[in-house]
Amino acid sequence: NAGVMQNPRHLVRRRGQEARLRCSPMKGHSHVYWYRQLPEEGLKFMVYLQKENIIDESGMPKERFSAEFPKEGPSILRIQQVVRGDSAAYFCASSKGLGSYEQYFGPGTRLTVT
Amino acid sequence: EDKVVQSPLSLVVHEGDTVTLNCSYEVTNFRSLLWYKQEKKAPTFLFMLTSSGIEKKSGRLSSILDKKELFSILNITATQTGDSAVYLCAVESDTNAGKSTFGDGTTLTVKP
Repeated sequence: NAGVMQNPRHLVRRRGQEARLRCSPMKGHSHVYWYRQLPEEGLKFMVYLQKENIIDESGMPKERFSAEFPKEGPSILRIQQVVRGDSAAYFCASSKGLGSYEQYFGPGTRLTVT
Repeated sequence: EDKVVQSPLSLVVHEGDTVTLNCSYEVTNFRSLLWYKQEKKAPTFLFMLTSSGIEKKSGRLSSILDKKELFSILNITATQTGDSAVYLCAVESDTNAGKSTFGDGTTLTVKP
């Protein structure tokens, strides 16, 4: 049973470009969470999605960031017009659902904005 | 707003020592507290705690939750160099279902 998969593992973008980060949850998991980890900081919640629904996006910056989890295919975290401050590790986690199900993390995508 | 504070921020010990990591929290409608270990990659799940006073144990690691005093501890006995990592504590609430609030972590370094 493959774990949570994220790609790419490393992404380099110039300021102003778009970054697309993908996350495929574990088989049987329908809940996806995105976190950002800045250097030397803890994980910060960004958004929680179920298939075709955004459940909680309270941790998402209001501008330039969006997330989706379509009926088919991976969850996508999209960052438009990236800035240097977006450089971070972005982790995706998945769970079976609510009700005390632990989250399993993917390997992360390390975004570097030059 | 939910809040998780971990202490100490960093800790250096020698192999064989026992360490205790602390996690205090403020959360509306507590659901669970989770501990993760993060080496230079994604966090890996250690424990989920929902009830006070019940110790969870896995090998040399153990953890317990005090819902009255709003804290948890993670104990590691007979530490090994492979225990060197950042240990993250997170809480979930029923109010913000699905959203985990993480502490900044404790960086543990175990020297040979």
